Amino acid sequence: QVQLQESGPGLMKPSQTLSLTCTVSGGSISSGPYYWSWIRQHPGKGLEWIGYIFYTGNTYYNPSLKSRVTISVDTSKKQFSLKLSSVTAADTAVYYCARASGGRIWVDAWGQGTLVTVSS
Amino acid sequence: SYVLTQPPSVSVAPGQTARITCGGNNIGSKSVHWYQQKPGQAPVLVVYDDSDRPSGVPERFSGSNSGNTATLTISRVEAGDEADYHCQVWDSSSDHVIFGGGTKLTVL
Repeated sequence: QVQLQESGPGLMKPSQTLSLTCTVSGGSISSGPYYWSWIRQHPGKGLEWIGYIFYTGNTYYNPSLKSRVTISVDTSKKQFSLKLSSVTAADTAVYYCARASGGRIWVDAWGQGTLVTVSS
Repeated sequence: SYVLTQPPSVSVAPGQTARITCGGNNIGSKSVHWYQQKPGQAPVLVVYDDSDRPSGVPERFSGSNSGNTATLTISRVEAGDEADYHCQVWDSSSDHVIFGGGTKLTVL
């Protein structure tokens, strides 16, 4: 059974670039059709899809974040990563890495989530 | 952009049936997925493709989708079902993945 684990800083300052890594175990990151995804949840709020990288390497980004987001994959390390530039307090959230699948994209595996706080 | 609307909260007594709605323009033409999220935990998929259940999800959880409303139905509600429930679709026309705002289910 696939497992995902986020890693990265928990506290950041405004204007910095957030970098998170998700390590995948128990399954292949280069086989498909899987969408390796990042999803966030602001405190007390709903879920927000940040974007995904398809197993073919194609990417999709939420239009509201597209100018600041990059998702990449390192198949040799079985990791995929999120970079979010120019963070502000509004980017304070729990960030989840996840695996989505299916022709109509649903998430069938989640990481435990990591809280990122942006504060000066 | 496509918007999914959920009621902020739903309350139900144990043993009764809970219905959580997810509204969207012609949502019946899309596939809707539902997630259960308990406090401090990651979400868990409970229904996909409108009405299919992943392995291990009780039959008490079911889904339907027609017109402008999708519904997650939880029969014989138990205390352990108390959680937030999120609906989600993939909008193929825009390639956008969209979540509803979430509904807090309270078991009285």
